[in-house]
Amino acid sequence: EPEVTQTPSHQVTQMGQEVILRCVPISNHLYFYWYRQILGQKVEFLVSFYNNEISEKSEIFDDQFSVERPDGSNFTLKIRSTKLEDSAMYFCASSADRASTDTQYFGPGTRLTVL
Amino acid sequence: AQSVTQLDSHVSVSEGTPVLLRCNYSSSYSPSLFWYVQHPNKGLQLLLKYTSAATLVKGINGFEAEFKKSETSFHLTKPSAHMSDAAEYFCVVSDPQGGKLIFGQGTELSVKP
Repeated sequence: EPEVTQTPSHQVTQMGQEVILRCVPISNHLYFYWYRQILGQKVEFLVSFYNNEISEKSEIFDDQFSVERPDGSNFTLKIRSTKLEDSAMYFCASSADRASTDTQYFGPGTRLTVL
Repeated sequence: AQSVTQLDSHVSVSEGTPVLLRCNYSSSYSPSLFWYVQHPNKGLQLLLKYTSAATLVKGINGFEAEFKKSETSFHLTKPSAHMSDAAEYFCVVSDPQGGKLIFGQGTELSVKP
């Protein structure tokens, strides 16, 4: 069964450093998402992406964040200068359609720890 | 705006007894509702979804949920808990105008032998 994959599973970085989190969505999907879950808190939407541009972003997704689909398979989230409060589990998801009825399939997550 | 409220942060049941995880939603549209499960150190897996078809939705691993518009509820049930059901469960509503998912706070289910 096709699945979303994410690398690395765990990333430790120093405050102020740049990190890139990588995701490989399901191959025939067209819509891509990033969510995050700070320890003990809700899963929160960050950004959605379609046709090589951002469809929607949340207030969390400020200028420190960017997303890219550099080739036909990868979907990346870059944090330019990490802060302590960026420590969280980051989930990538993909769907075939953007309809509210369509299922988003999630990857296993990348745990980001900022020291 | 859409939102979901999971009424219990933690539920503990004995193996073989029924499971009830409660969720209430708020939506100005006819909502699409989902239940996802997260096992320790694993990703989010879809259990089931409601998309305005049958109000009783059957999912994987014996779970089901009933959409009740009059009560704005979408509670998750299972007749008989198994040890492997121990996990975090999220009730989720999708935004009809963009597809982003809005998560509840999560309910941690513990299953005692």
